[in-house]
Amino acid sequence: NAGVTQTPKFQVLKTGQSMTLQCAQDMNHNSMYWYRQDPGMGLRLIYYSASEGTTDKGEVPNGYNVSRLNKREFSLRLESAAPSQTSVYFCASRGMGAGNTIYFGEGSWLTVV
Amino acid sequence: AQSVAQPEDQVNVAEGNPLTVKCTYSVSGNPYLFWYVQYPNRGLQFLLKYITGDNLVKGSYGFEAEFNKSQTSFHLKKPSALVSDSALYFCAVRVESGGSYIPTFGRGTSLIVHP
Repeated sequence: NAGVTQTPKFQVLKTGQSMTLQCAQDMNHNSMYWYRQDPGMGLRLIYYSASEGTTDKGEVPNGYNVSRLNKREFSLRLESAAPSQTSVYFCASRGMGAGNTIYFGEGSWLTVV
Repeated sequence: AQSVAQPEDQVNVAEGNPLTVKCTYSVSGNPYLFWYVQYPNRGLQFLLKYITGDNLVKGSYGFEAEFNKSQTSFHLKKPSALVSDSALYFCAVRVESGGSYIPTFGRGTSLIVHP
């Protein structure tokens, strides 16, 4: 059972470089999310996609862009990485219905130097 | 608006003792409440949820949580803690209807179970 798969697991970037975090889910979920996790800050929503073809900003969208490529895939792009974007990034997905559970990927550890 | 608070950054308990990890919430409307656990260097794993019905919810690994509407709380409990329960625990809330169904997560509580 793959669930939510994120790549890469680890990445080191130099300031100003760009990169894309990939996420795919095999549960036929409509909604997908990108969160970042920082010490003492809990989980903060970057962007989400309620359904294929739609994306919306979350709490901390600045410096990021997303693409909902199809129902399965939701990518997060850093156009010009900054040290403040050093974090652990989690992709998640959820099926239809407010009571449905969110399922998380294993995380992507990103360091910007 | 919806919010969730986990008032304790860290909870320490001896193995075999009961444990409680606290969570309080604020929503406009009926809440859906969730608990997740995160082991080191892993993603969040679903433990249990309250949607409706019985206020006492049982979940994975022997955990349970009690929904208390008057106190707006959803505390996570386990009768006998194990060292392997040591992890980071997150409470989350989502409004039943009228919102975007995006959950709000607490900041997390680190549970440390001592042998």
